Amino acid sequence: NAGVTQTPKFRVLKTGQSMTLLCAQDMNHEYMYWYRQDPGMGLRLIHYSVGEGTTAKGEVPDGYNVSRLKKQNFLLGLESAAPSQTSVYFCASQDRRVGTGELFFGEGSRLTVL
Amino acid sequence: DAKTTQPPSMDCAEGRAANLPCNHSTISGNEYVYWYRQIHSQGPQYIIHGLKNNETNEMASLIITEDRKSSTLILPHATLRDTAVYYCIVAGNTPLVFGKGTRLSVIA
Repeated sequence: NAGVTQTPKFRVLKTGQSMTLLCAQDMNHEYMYWYRQDPGMGLRLIHYSVGEGTTAKGEVPDGYNVSRLKKQNFLLGLESAAPSQTSVYFCASQDRRVGTGELFFGEGSRLTVL
Repeated sequence: DAKTTQPPSMDCAEGRAANLPCNHSTISGNEYVYWYRQIHSQGPQYIIHGLKNNETNEMASLIITEDRKSSTLILPHATLRDTAVYYCIVAGNTPLVFGKGTRLSVIA
């Protein structure tokens, strides 16, 4: 059981480049989330999904797109990266069938945009 | 807009109980109190959650006041490995919103 796996773990981009972060979970969870964390700050919600084929905006969705084509995967895309998107990105999954359900987080993906 | 208020930092001596406070005066009836922690730069880790009753598990105890406007997370015997940022979150059927939390330093 790998839990929540994020790839890549590190990436350096130039301004204007595009990339996709992949989050995969093997726990059959319905809910998945993408957060970003800037230095000295808490986590801020970018987008989330309550099931396959559904997505919703969080607190800071601008500049990002997401897709949930398969239940186990949640992709976060940056179409035209900006230095302000330099951050650590965390993915989480949650089983809401068991009451409120705890969030399981990945190890994070560290992105630098030059 | 933050739903919770936590002190930015606290110290605790190793082996002592760590009591982390959280104010959530605008909590609604269907909202739970959650606690997570983040050790260094790892992904946050679930600790405990509760609605109105006190809760205890192998990691910690959660004490919620009768009016539910505040709560305290108790780590009964803090160790150096408990040094982390602790987040108190109030949420119902909505995604969890993380504030800045309390940075707990356990001192030998």
